[in-house]
Amino acid sequence: DAKTTQPTSMDCAEGRAANLPCNHSTISGNEYVYWYRQIHSQGPQYIIHGLKNNETNEMASLIITEDRKSSTLILPHATLRDTAVYYCIVRAAGNKLTFGGGTRVLVKP
Amino acid sequence: EPEVTQTPSHQVTQMGQEVILRCVPISNHLYFYWYRQILGQKVEFLVSFYNNEISEKSEIFDDQFSVERPDGSNFTLKIRSTKLEDSAMYFCASSGVFSAELFFGEGSRLTVL
Repeated sequence: DAKTTQPTSMDCAEGRAANLPCNHSTISGNEYVYWYRQIHSQGPQYIIHGLKNNETNEMASLIITEDRKSSTLILPHATLRDTAVYYCIVRAAGNKLTFGGGTRVLVKP
Repeated sequence: EPEVTQTPSHQVTQMGQEVILRCVPISNHLYFYWYRQILGQKVEFLVSFYNNEISEKSEIFDDQFSVERPDGSNFTLKIRSTKLEDSAMYFCASSGVFSAELFFGEGSRLTVL
């Protein structure tokens, strides 16, 4: 599976949109972009995934560039409960998820 | 909402003892996984399981580890002779189809003394 690069940490103001970038310049054509988060020491929580089109669900939006070499996860209205480590993972169908270091997001009041 | 459940939430054991961690995956899921996370470190893949056999395992998953789906609902991870370095949070996950997202349980914290 291709590797990803994410900022180590970022802060966000409560109520504002949080934009989390991810670079995956070596992504293959059959690899999806997945986002998970881990709140404190809880189990990782699935957020969203996509192949090449932008995706939106009740939690977030995923914007994938046309060349698929990078993506952005958008939390539209961050709350204090969104404080977590966010993982961007590229994964081919059926392959295991491989977690990196992620981005530690701190939502501040 | 269906969820993956894990027991125990915390287990303390002596080095050299056998430990069994249990997981109940989401009921119609077919793919099962174990991951672990040593305190302060990354979430690491251990093993995946499908159709009653291991489909992939990592270098961590040596002969001391085994998995089983004994009764069609539980999915267990056994560590035969625990070592201090096995102290970690162990996460079970399941997915419904080949390419679907994984759903994780809340984890079992193992402390080896």
